[in-house]
Amino acid sequence: KQEVTQIPAALSVPEGENLVLNCSFTDSAIYNLQWFRQDPGKGLTSLLLIQSSQREQTSGRLNASLDKSSGRSTLYIAASQPGDSATYLCAVSVGDMRFGAGTRLTVKP
Amino acid sequence: DAGITQSPRHKVTETGTPVTLRCHQTENHRYMYWYRQDPGHGLRLIHYSYGVKDTDKGEVSDGYSVSRSKTEDFLLTLESATSSQTSVYFCAISAPGLAGRYEQYFGPGTRLTVT
Repeated sequence: KQEVTQIPAALSVPEGENLVLNCSFTDSAIYNLQWFRQDPGKGLTSLLLIQSSQREQTSGRLNASLDKSSGRSTLYIAASQPGDSATYLCAVSVGDMRFGAGTRLTVKP
Repeated sequence: DAGITQSPRHKVTETGTPVTLRCHQTENHRYMYWYRQDPGHGLRLIHYSYGVKDTDKGEVSDGYSVSRSKTEDFLLTLESATSSQTSVYFCAISAPGLAGRYEQYFGPGTRLTVT
């Protein structure tokens, strides 16, 4: 059974820092991996999708990497801003999608 | 939000009562999904649909049923609600993203409390 883990569960950083969020999964047989952002009381917003054949995807200040062989993905956020404060979830597609529990990020002004 | 609405947005109900949650999409996407989100568990798939009257079970389907009689609507029913079904329920659709690859897009969620 595919298990997805995100560590740490919560992270607090000062504004302007570069930071990395981690996602690990137990089975490398995935179709793709997707990173989402969730604001309190809201639904999920897709940030980046990496196909299984890709190594990374970039969108603005966000860069996501994928290493299938080690079962890991990272989400790099450059020059963090208070508006980046949210919960970030990763999910792997194995036919259906399996989600991690998320990392709650707080960026302090 | 990819044209996805959920109703109701909040509901409080008593144990043993039936509850139906509705997901509505405006863009005729084939695949639709129901998830529940609980602290410490992330999102877990309850049921999904790949077309009108075509549905299948997900990871946590016990106690739930679904129906899809029209492309745009996907209903989730709790036949007899229990306190363990207190959760936030999200509907999602699968649609092409900016790069043309299929991604999941989520509705705003329904917060259900079973007392």
